This record gives sequence, structure tokens and C-alpha cells, in this order.
Amino acid sequence: AQRVTQPEKLLSVFKGAPVELKCNYSYSGSPELFWYVQYSRQRLQLLLRHISRESIKGFTADLNKGETSFHLKKPFAQEEDSAMYYCALGNFGNEKLTFGTGTRLTIIP
Amino acid sequence: EAQVTQNPRYLITVTGKKLTVTCSQNMNHEYMSWYRQDPGLGLRQIYYSMNVEVTDKGDVPEGYKVSRKEKRNFPLILESPSPNQTSLYFCASSLRLAYNEQFFGPGTRLTVL
Repeated sequence: AQRVTQPEKLLSVFKGAPVELKCNYSYSGSPELFWYVQYSRQRLQLLLRHISRESIKGFTADLNKGETSFHLKKPFAQEEDSAMYYCALGNFGNEKLTFGTGTRLTIIP
Repeated sequence: EAQVTQNPRYLITVTGKKLTVTCSQNMNHEYMSWYRQDPGLGLRQIYYSMNVEVTDKGDVPEGYKVSRKEKRNFPLILESPSPNQTSLYFCASSLRLAYNEQFFGPGTRLTVL
């Protein structure tokens, strides 16, 4: 069974400080991993996916198959980064999409 | 405007009274799915559909039904709602598959008394 673990429910970071949101996964196949974000009063939306290897809004995430992790990082936090972040795992075989429990990130001015 | 719509946005009902939450997308997406969001549990997939007349169970399908008679619509049916189905429900769609970008609806907050 596929599983996604986000160990931090809440994370507070000062503006300008580095941010790291942790995500670990359990999956026997080749994973497709994503980060979704929900800003206040907005819909849940895709932030980035590992396959595209791009940086969005200064965020990056590297897939580490050895540690089965896909941590989200940003070198300098901004106030507009405050949001709920979800890590998600897609399954090629049965097309299920599994989300983690989410991390609420608060940037302290 | 390309989007996913859900109706109703808010619903309070009583145990056992059948209800349907509608979901519609205008992007010609093949893949649609339903999630429930609960505090501390995150988003959990209820059902998904890869195309018309093709549906499959997600992680928490008990107590729910779905149908996909048309590509654009994917209603969620609660035949006999119970209080443990009180939750925030999201519909989502993507071009073809689970690993394409998911476009989410605004959510439906359901309370079952």
C-alpha cells in the first residue's frame, strides 16, 4: 500500500529564514510525487512535481529514493508562503493519488 | 473560465437522508476524483474515475457511491449519511491520470446531524 507521511502538523518560521517541510513516502514502485498548496481562501493547487524538476515561487523539492523522501525547501521564507502544504504520491498502476496529512506553515514577520 | 464547480457549497442534513453533491468540470478532463478533508487526517481519496463509466475505490469509499455517465460530471452520493461523514469534500479533475496536475473545486462542507 502506498503511504505519505508529513511529520509536522504545524511549522513556524521567521521571515527570511530557510524553510523545510518534510515528506516521506512508502511505495514499492517508481513514485510520482507532488507538493500541493492551499493559501487562505483559495483552492488547493499544484505547487510543484518531482518530474519537472523546477523551482516554483522559490521552492524546490528533490526526490531521494534512498531515504524515500521528497522534502520541500525554500532558502528565504516570505510572508506570502504562509499556507497549508500537502505532499502527494501518484500510482502509475492503479491511478490512486495519496495525500499526506498536511503541514500548516506560518511565516512570522 | 476553466474550472471545477461543486454544489452545494454548504449542507446540513440529518442521518439517513440521501444526498448528492454535484461536481462538474469544463476542461474536458478524463480523470476525476473525490476527497474528504478532516483535521489531522489530511485529504483522503474516496473514489476516482479514469473516464466515462470507469470508476474505482479510493482509500475511504465506505458509505459513498459515485457515477460517471458524462465526462464533465462526477456526482458523489451518500445513500444514508451518518455523522462520521461530516467533513469537507473536494472534487478534483485532471487531464488523464492521477499524476497529471489536479484541479480542485472549492469544497463542500457537509454536516450530518
